[in-house]
Amino acid sequence: AQKVTQAQTEISVVEKEDVTLDCVYETRDTTYYLFWYKQPPSGELVFLIRRNSFDEQNEISGRYSWNFQKSTSSFNFTITASQVVDSAVYFCALSEPMTTDSWGKLQFGAGTQVVVTP
Amino acid sequence: DGGITQSPKYLFRKEGQNVTLSCEQNLNHDAMYWYRQDPGQGLRLIYYSQIVNDFQKGDIAEGYSVSREKKESFPLTVTSAQKNPTAFYLCASSIPRTGDFEQFFGPGTRLTVL
Repeated sequence: AQKVTQAQTEISVVEKEDVTLDCVYETRDTTYYLFWYKQPPSGELVFLIRRNSFDEQNEISGRYSWNFQKSTSSFNFTITASQVVDSAVYFCALSEPMTTDSWGKLQFGAGTQVVVTP
Repeated sequence: DGGITQSPKYLFRKEGQNVTLSCEQNLNHDAMYWYRQDPGQGLRLIYYSQIVNDFQKGDIAEGYSVSREKKESFPLTVTSAQKNPTAFYLCASSIPRTGDFEQFFGPGTRLTVL
């Protein structure tokens, strides 16, 4: 069965510190996608990044970067030089196997609350 | 602007009443989803639809019903059979094709049972 674990329930930092969010996933499939979403206090989930299982290249996009390691089934996300506006809940998600009829569905982790104080 | 709208933003209901939450999208997405979020928890899938006139149960479908008569609309009815309906409900849509199926979310409806 698919499973996503975000062990950190809350992380508190002072502005300009870096924040790394951990995500560990379980899947038997060889083809899958991983996602990070942000949920600000307004409630709407905002899509941040998507990574497919064939591409382990780690990238940086502005203040965001991610570290995808298939060997450890981890997909960690880092916010560099955090700002107060980064305060939100961050969710990691895993797609259903594309070999099934239900592909496109996402399995979400429990989320990590990030609190950035001035 | 393209996007997903949900209404109402806040909804109050008395026990024993059915209520319908609206979800509309103008993104021309084929797939639509309903999630429930309880405080401090992640999202749990209630129902999803990959095409018009077809939908499947998610992980927690009991006490809920949906319809998908139009591509743009995927309303969710919370019935009196749902024992603990107070929660935040999120609707999402996507294009379920290879490599491009991230889900886009609406602003949510917060349902409170009085």
